[in-house]
Amino acid sequence: GAVVSQHPSRVICKSGTSVKIECRSLDFQATTMFWYRQFPKKSLMLMATSNEGSKATYEQGVEKDKFLINHASLTLSTLTVTSAHPEDSSFYICSARVSGRGNEQFFGPGTRLTVL
Amino acid sequence: AQSVTQLGSHVSVSEGALVLLRCNYSSSVPPYLFWYVQYPNQGLQLLLKYTSAATLVKGINGFEAEFKKSETSFHLTKPSAHMSDAAEYFCAVRPSGNTPLVFGKGTRLSVIA
Repeated sequence: GAVVSQHPSRVICKSGTSVKIECRSLDFQATTMFWYRQFPKKSLMLMATSNEGSKATYEQGVEKDKFLINHASLTLSTLTVTSAHPEDSSFYICSARVSGRGNEQFFGPGTRLTVL
Repeated sequence: AQSVTQLGSHVSVSEGALVLLRCNYSSSVPPYLFWYVQYPNQGLQLLLKYTSAATLVKGINGFEAEFKKSETSFHLTKPSAHMSDAAEYFCAVRPSGNTPLVFGKGTRLSVIA
């Protein structure tokens, strides 16, 4: 149980285009989802926290207009990188938290974004 | 702010040797502590977690970690390294029940045949 999926696993896009990444909790309902960004050989940096049905809370320094997060249901959150540029190339990982299970976070397999 | 410090960005051990990955946390109260493993181009897999029960925590793949309040440490160990243990290891802290995980910078473990 507690499986989190991400789609796509890899995406290559041209500079200026927008890319949507989906994060789904497959066998549980996630009231809270987190989006992390990981640079090569670096740690995971929390980008934002999203609660179902409300606006996401962004960490300091993360552009909310650049990284649009929607958490429309208890099993789906999306991250849209708008007008992507090469510096947005990174590994994006989502995480879902299960209420009532010690608030444990479960992680998706990540999405590798490459912007040309 | 709560944080974790992982000493050593890269650790190299021989196959069969002891693995020791260090993690120190900064917290005024004992937090929840975690160790995750990440294989190349993959997400994170939970190895073990400390949640104020037993101070010696056993995880998957033969790993264990000991919470030492006096040293504010939560070092990860494995008695005998295997080639398949080569990966990136992250220590993480969750300061309180509702806060998200905060990760250390990671330690890359290499296992030499």
